[in-house]
Amino acid sequence: DTEVTQTPKHLVMGMTNKKSLKCEQHMGHRAMYWYKQKAKKPPELMFVYSYEKLSINESVPSRFSPECPNSSLLNLHLHALQPEDSALYLCASSQVGGRPQHFGDGTRLSIL
Amino acid sequence: AQTVTQSQPEMSVQEAETVTLSCTYDTSENNYYLFWYKQPPSRQMILVIRQEAYKQQNATENRFSVNFQKAAKSFSLKISDSQLGDTAMYFCAFMDSNYQLIWGAGTKLIIKP
Repeated sequence: DTEVTQTPKHLVMGMTNKKSLKCEQHMGHRAMYWYKQKAKKPPELMFVYSYEKLSINESVPSRFSPECPNSSLLNLHLHALQPEDSALYLCASSQVGGRPQHFGDGTRLSIL
Repeated sequence: AQTVTQSQPEMSVQEAETVTLSCTYDTSENNYYLFWYKQPPSRQMILVIRQEAYKQQNATENRFSVNFQKAAKSFSLKISDSQLGDTAMYFCAFMDSNYQLIWGAGTKLIIKP
């Protein structure tokens, strides 16, 4: 069983829709991450939250909007996405510092 | 900038055999961390093993072990007594001084019955 829970597992949306991806962990980790992963490629870092504050934004388009309501939750709000945004979106968490990141199962996102 | 290279796009071995996946990296840092992650078709990214650069002893986790050669900047993963469940994409990753992961391109490992 994964210790990082992502919902939904699959999402199909049109380019004009607004949706949100959710990530939850209860391991007491204070760093949380969003990654985008295309098929047969490694994950690409999108955002990092450290102690509930956005610490890294890897030049991600504004149609992706992250939110960290508390130390256990991480959301990714989606609006006006493009077909090229179709991918697997992975959430991860870790202790701050050189500790391993623990990943969720991901959300498979398809943009029509 | 740090880079991670996995030179084997795909490998295939028979069940119970031993297989070694290669990984090299480039950095000017002296203290860092290295990881191997596996991603089965079920898609969850799973930590396999972690190595701290200041430790000379190679990390081991059950059937998984690494050969860490710091001077050569090499970090290979050995899987002993391979099992069907080991079939997955394997990613080598370097953790930089900002604690962000730099990923290799991945090696697709297929274990044949």
